[in-house]
Amino acid sequence: IQLTQSPSSLSASVGDRVTITCRASQGISSYLAWYQQKPGKAPNLLIYTASTLQSGVPSRFSGSGSGTDFTLTISSLQPEDFATYYCQQLISYPLTFGGGTKVEIK
Amino acid sequence: QLQLQESGPGLVKPSETLSLTCSVSGGSISSSTYYWGWIRQPPGKGLEWIGDVNYSGPTHDNRSLRSRVTISVDTSKNQISLKLSSVTAADTAVYYCARGAVVTKVFENWGQGTLVTVSS
Repeated sequence: IQLTQSPSSLSASVGDRVTITCRASQGISSYLAWYQQKPGKAPNLLIYTASTLQSGVPSRFSGSGSGTDFTLTISSLQPEDFATYYCQQLISYPLTFGGGTKVEIK
Repeated sequence: QLQLQESGPGLVKPSETLSLTCSVSGGSISSSTYYWGWIRQPPGKGLEWIGDVNYSGPTHDNRSLRSRVTISVDTSKNQISLKLSSVTAADTAVYYCARGAVVTKVFENWGQGTLVTVSS
């Protein structure tokens, strides 16, 4: 299953609302997760089953979607949110990741 | 607190076998609630799932790696290992081990990663 993220990169300002899209090549129900990765660090789980917030993750992060189309939304971008975001499908092997979306400072 | 630490050679010659170990502390790899995976990331690129293992169940691996992968667990040492044979420069990457929840399959905990370079 291929996952296509868009955009591949974006520039935004602190306080902006940011939306990232992940599209699956076939239906994956709600078996989708989102990770955040900062330079030189391991990825960090943000959301699973498309919309469930991982414990400890700020509520400004939210996820939605099912089937083939999913979104990750950051309601008010904070300085620590500048990073690369990846989606991952969890319905079938191999457990593929999207290509990533880099969120940069405008 | 759970910690995962990858270790192994940072430089491997082409055609040889890459061998990495993930040492787990603060938790048992024998738990039926979790499974263990390997993910890699070539420099400047995205994430690639390599494979996973549960201490008591079958392993899964990425068919794109053409059966070069062996993942196993050593419960006596609380370690997971990865072997990737016949490596080429395309296998140069940061290799991560991670703990996943069996129910959701998501990787909740990650090691810091280790860079392996394939070069003669």
